[in-house]
Amino acid sequence: GQSLEQPSEVTAVEGAIVQINCTYQTSGFYGLSWYQQHDGGAPTFLSYNALDGLEETGRFSSFLSRSDSYGYLLLQELQMKDSASYFCAVRGWMDSSYKLIFGSGTRLLVRP
Amino acid sequence: DTAVSQTPKYLVTQMGNDKSIKCEQNLGHDTMYWYKQDSKKFLKIMFSYNNKELIINETVPNRFSPKSPDKAHLNLHINSLELGDSAVYFCASSHVSNEQFFGPGTRLTVL
Repeated sequence: GQSLEQPSEVTAVEGAIVQINCTYQTSGFYGLSWYQQHDGGAPTFLSYNALDGLEETGRFSSFLSRSDSYGYLLLQELQMKDSASYFCAVRGWMDSSYKLIFGSGTRLLVRP
Repeated sequence: DTAVSQTPKYLVTQMGNDKSIKCEQNLGHDTMYWYKQDSKKFLKIMFSYNNKELIINETVPNRFSPKSPDKAHLNLHINSLELGDSAVYFCASSHVSNEQFFGPGTRLTVL
């Protein structure tokens, strides 16, 4: 089966750096994605890592270690608008099709 | 211009009723999905269609029936609604890439 674990909640101060970890167990792993979802909104794509290493997109970076089945999302220079839920999602070949399996989400609260 | 749209945005109905949610994407994507997000925000794949063909059908009660009249549309029909069906239902689409584009969601409340 597949499983993903990420912290349920993280709190940080405006301007700080926060790291949201994700560990996964799956067969047919292709890559790890991150999505952001504001309350009442739809999930929006942030990043995708298929290979080991760090991918940077502006204030957000995502890291993957395939050997450790581990990844993280790094948010720098936190802003109030970054308060949202962040989901890691494994993309893999399961049951004869490509699927995106989501973690349970990490609620990030940014305080002034 | 809305990329992935869903109607209705809110749906309140009685137990036992039948309802439909419509989804349309104007991104030219080949693959469309339905997800269910429960009250604990857990997002779970229900169905996926590629070029009008069903490719993912998770363990979902057969009261739920998706229909794809063409590759830009994927509708979800739910028969005999139950209290446990209350959730937010998201439609999404993607091309071959790994990025999925989600619609705004339909909040279904079954009374």
